[in-house]
Amino acid sequence: DTEVTQTPKHLVMGMTNKKSLKCEQHMGHRAMYWYKQKAKKPPELMFVYSYEKLSINESVPSRFSPECPNSSLLNLHLHALQPEDSALYLCASSQAQGGNEQFFGPGTRLTVL
Amino acid sequence: KNEVEQSPQNLTAQEGEFITINCSYSVGISALHWLQQHPGGGIVSLFMLSSGKKKHGRLIATINIQEKHSSLHITASHPRDSAVYICAVGGAGNQFYFGTGTSLTVIP
Repeated sequence: DTEVTQTPKHLVMGMTNKKSLKCEQHMGHRAMYWYKQKAKKPPELMFVYSYEKLSINESVPSRFSPECPNSSLLNLHLHALQPEDSALYLCASSQAQGGNEQFFGPGTRLTVL
Repeated sequence: KNEVEQSPQNLTAQEGEFITINCSYSVGISALHWLQQHPGGGIVSLFMLSSGKKKHGRLIATINIQEKHSSLHITASHPRDSAVYICAVGGAGNQFYFGTGTSLTVIP
């Protein structure tokens, strides 16, 4: 299994809602990443988990809360988002943190109303 | 200044043409990656390079470590190659830097 899966594919939420994005991989990778991508822009790194511990937080607002329950799962909890948070949220994994090849999921298209 | 620069930003080609996309970087790297993203879609890794040249089907990627430069070539381009191609580098400090992408359109 060389796949990173993400659910849901699409999500529409209001500014007062609480929702979660999920990411899963079964490649035995020990680093997992959340990226945010706006239209026609490259992905921007949000968080990195290495061996289930938060390794990098790129000054992301607290309305985004990551969680890594185990080595295969990565969640992104969303609360009180703003319309400008609408974007494609990509999850990726790699064998270890750093320059290793990253495998990307298909992304979750988030729209905040 | 971005750590990773790509050129051109946009590229339109006729089907069958040979295509080159360039990437220059300014940081020390452990590896360079070429990624492909179709409109509205996820990202697929095409190549990971730390030296020399790699070939996969009609795609060829080269890297010159001394010049901090890489190229992605597509031979006999096809409309299904239309996508955004992103150069990314894995830095020594556990960072992953993305270029701004090259949007390729191949016209039948």
